[in-house]
Amino acid sequence: AQKVTQAQTEISVVEKEDVTLDCVYETRDTTYYLFWYKQPPSGELVFLIRRNSFDEQNEISGRYSWNFQKSTSSFNFTITASQVVDSAVYFCALSDPYNNNDMRFGAGTRLTVKP
Amino acid sequence: DVKVTQSSRYLVKRTGEKVFLECVQDMDHENMFWYRQDPGLGLRLIYFSYDVKMKEKGDIPEGYSVSREKKERFSLILESASTNQTSMYLCASSLLKTEGSSYNSPLHFGNGTRLTVT
Repeated sequence: AQKVTQAQTEISVVEKEDVTLDCVYETRDTTYYLFWYKQPPSGELVFLIRRNSFDEQNEISGRYSWNFQKSTSSFNFTITASQVVDSAVYFCALSDPYNNNDMRFGAGTRLTVKP
Repeated sequence: DVKVTQSSRYLVKRTGEKVFLECVQDMDHENMFWYRQDPGLGLRLIYFSYDVKMKEKGDIPEGYSVSREKKERFSLILESASTNQTSMYLCASSLLKTEGSSYNSPLHFGNGTRLTVT
């Protein structure tokens, strides 16, 4: 069975701090995809990144970076120099490569960035 | 940009009413999904559809049905609303395939419908 755990329910930081959101997954598949989505107060989940299980390179996009560690089944997300606009609920998700109707979401981490 | 539009942002319904939640996407996506979002539980899949008139149950289909008569529209139906169906409902769509024959394109979500059943 596939499962995603986001142990941090809520995180609060002050602007310009760095923050890491944890994501741990479980799967028996050797091939799978991992995702991060952002849900701002408007409600619409926004796709941030997709990573397949064969690509363990870390990714950086501006202030965002992702650390994929297959050995620990983790796909953590770091925001550098956080801003108030980063305040949102962030979801990590896992899916098999053959159909994304079986996408499993974590419970989400609510990040609040205070000015 | 993909646009997924849910017809209502907020709905209040009474127990026992039949409720329709409508979702329309404008990017010719094959897949459409209905999720329910509850605190501490993340998103749970209710139903999905990969083609017109096709539907598949997700993890929590009980008490719900769906309709997909046109490719761009996917409706969620609560046959007889109950208080435990009070929740945020999210519609999403995606391509069936992405480059390289991957069946794993990202989901594009609507803004959600917050349904309260009293």
